[in-house]
Amino acid sequence: AQKVTQAQTEISVVEKEDVTLDCVYETRDTTYYLFWYKQPPSGELVFLIRRNSFDEQNEISGRYSWNFQKSTSSFNFTITASQVVDSAVYFCALSPAGGYQKVTFGTGTKLQVIP
Amino acid sequence: DAGVTQSPTHLIKTRGQQVTLRCSPKSGHDTVSWYQQALGQGPQFIFQYYEEEERQRGNFPDRFSGHQFPNYSSELNVNALLLGDSALYLCASSSRTSGAIPYEQYFGPGTRLTVT
Repeated sequence: AQKVTQAQTEISVVEKEDVTLDCVYETRDTTYYLFWYKQPPSGELVFLIRRNSFDEQNEISGRYSWNFQKSTSSFNFTITASQVVDSAVYFCALSPAGGYQKVTFGTGTKLQVIP
Repeated sequence: DAGVTQSPTHLIKTRGQQVTLRCSPKSGHDTVSWYQQALGQGPQFIFQYYEEEERQRGNFPDRFSGHQFPNYSSELNVNALLLGDSALYLCASSSRTSGAIPYEQYFGPGTRLTVT
């Protein structure tokens, strides 16, 4: 069985602060994919990143960075110099590799960036 | 290039009724997945369709059924609606063809279903 835990329900930061969203996962699969999605108030899920389980290299994309640590089953997401437009609910998700997808989402972290 | 589209946007039904939700995948995508997102929760996987067959299913009762058409569009049907079926229903499309990034799902805006 797969499980994704996002312990932070809500986070508030002041604009320009850095913020890290935590994600811990459980899976029995040896190969899998991890994802982060953003859900703004409009409701549409926006894909941010996909990471293979065999690639632990951290990734940076502009103000976004992701820290994947297989040893602790964590896939944390950091926003540097947060902006008001970053306010949204962020979901971490997990899917087995190969075959057909069955994506398991966490319960989400609501981020509020205060101007 | 149109993204994933869903219809209707909102829907109000009475307990016991049946509902059909529709999804058109992003151009070039051949796989459609459906999710249920209750208020304040993460999306829950319902099922996935590829080549007009259900390929994966989450923990949802048989009241939830689907269909995929030759043009890759899909329908989600829910019978005998319960109050607990009230949620945002999201459709996601992806591609299994070569050259496409696997497992990158594009989500539609969702259909908000309210059961009274």
